[in-house]
Amino acid sequence: QKEVEQNSGPLSVPEGAIASLNCTYSDRGSQSFFWYRQYSGKSPELIMFIYSNGDKEDGRFTAQLNKASQYVSLLIRDSQPSDSATYLCAVRDRGSTLGRLYFGRGTQLTVWP
Amino acid sequence: GAVVSQHPSWVICKSGTSVKIECRSLDFQATTMFWYRQFPKQSLMLMATSNEGSKATYEQGVEKDKFLINHASLTLSTLTVTSAHPEDSSFYICSALGESSYEQYFGPGTRLTVT
Repeated sequence: QKEVEQNSGPLSVPEGAIASLNCTYSDRGSQSFFWYRQYSGKSPELIMFIYSNGDKEDGRFTAQLNKASQYVSLLIRDSQPSDSATYLCAVRDRGSTLGRLYFGRGTQLTVWP
Repeated sequence: GAVVSQHPSWVICKSGTSVKIECRSLDFQATTMFWYRQFPKQSLMLMATSNEGSKATYEQGVEKDKFLINHASLTLSTLTVTSAHPEDSSFYICSALGESSYEQYFGPGTRLTVT
């Protein structure tokens, strides 16, 4: 059973702060990792993906991957109230040619003004 | 680009009836679509993987005779919940694998309530 674990939260940060979201995965051979944002009552939307060790930056978002530790994180700089949502970590099944993803339970983030 | 639509966005039905949910890729062809279910405060649970022109692959514990999936074209997959019961009430979300076969694009979801 491939597992994806996220810090359960909820996480609450003030506006302008850095929010740090963490995720670990059980399949050491996993290659691709995704962060999705899901607003209440809506479907997930892709924020970014990463597949190489290190950092990947996209605007205020930075994904960090450490395959040796089986750990992936998402940093949100200058957090805004509009960032308040549930963040889902997903790992692509390396054994699937169809792109199957395994999702964590999500971390609820609240950014207060 | 890469827009996925679902219809209906919400539906209320009576126990014992069947409900069909459509998932369409609007501006790309999707040979593979996925159907998820999400209960409140829970993560997405994959129900089945749908491939155009072939039978869907169901996850363990998902009844294929209850959740009928048809992927008849490269832009349309349907999920039919047969003989729905209140415990089937959930948020059903489809996604389509992009033409690069790397990213999954999610539809807006369908909220099903069975009374």
